[in-house]
Amino acid sequence: KNQVEQSPQSLIILEGKNCTLQCNYTVSPFSNLRWYKQDTGRGPVSLTIMTFSENTKSNGRYTATLDADTKQSSLHITASQLSDSASYICVVSGNDMRFGAGTRLTVKP
Amino acid sequence: GAVVSQHPSWVICKSGTSVKIECRSLDFQATTMFWYRQFPKQSLMLMATSNEGSKATYEQGVEKDKFLINHASLTLSTLTVTSAHPEDSSFYICSASRQGSLAYEQYFGPGTRLTVT
Repeated sequence: KNQVEQSPQSLIILEGKNCTLQCNYTVSPFSNLRWYKQDTGRGPVSLTIMTFSENTKSNGRYTATLDADTKQSSLHITASQLSDSASYICVVSGNDMRFGAGTRLTVKP
Repeated sequence: GAVVSQHPSWVICKSGTSVKIECRSLDFQATTMFWYRQFPKQSLMLMATSNEGSKATYEQGVEKDKFLINHASLTLSTLTVTSAHPEDSSFYICSASRQGSLAYEQYFGPGTRLTVT
């Protein structure tokens, strides 16, 4: 069982709508949690990085939350744009890095 | 800042040949570089971690004699896929950690698509 589980596996939304992606983890000890955006055929780009003491962090229309007690994180995308279509990957670091399988988001006009 | 480049962006080679992929940190010094492999619709899989001037640390199941990693300088790491086979066809991505930065800050390259025929 993967130590980082993301849901949903894929998501289709209309342009302008909001959406929330989930990341649950069992990694222990915990150091930090990162969300990346990966366009098809490109390398991942960092969106947010959160440590144990941080509950929320924003980067433009992206807002990540972290509940270290329940070991859950979410990435909320506001007013989606066509360019938001990508895979979103949750990475949790402890003694090593664990990657989630990603959520494939498609934004349609 | 913190730009990582990879070369080539894509390569097609014949089975049995070797292919070298370069990863460069363009505007910072990278004490540590990471190499990942990604199959279609799957997440990144860490292959190895390399520190400048020392031998790479390979993840379990990754053949060190097949995937040769050299990190000769603070701005360049290379991955050589030796005696490539069609099953080595994949998307290879490197990342780099900036010298002096927090350990978890990694900057990814754009990736290299390898196709072995």
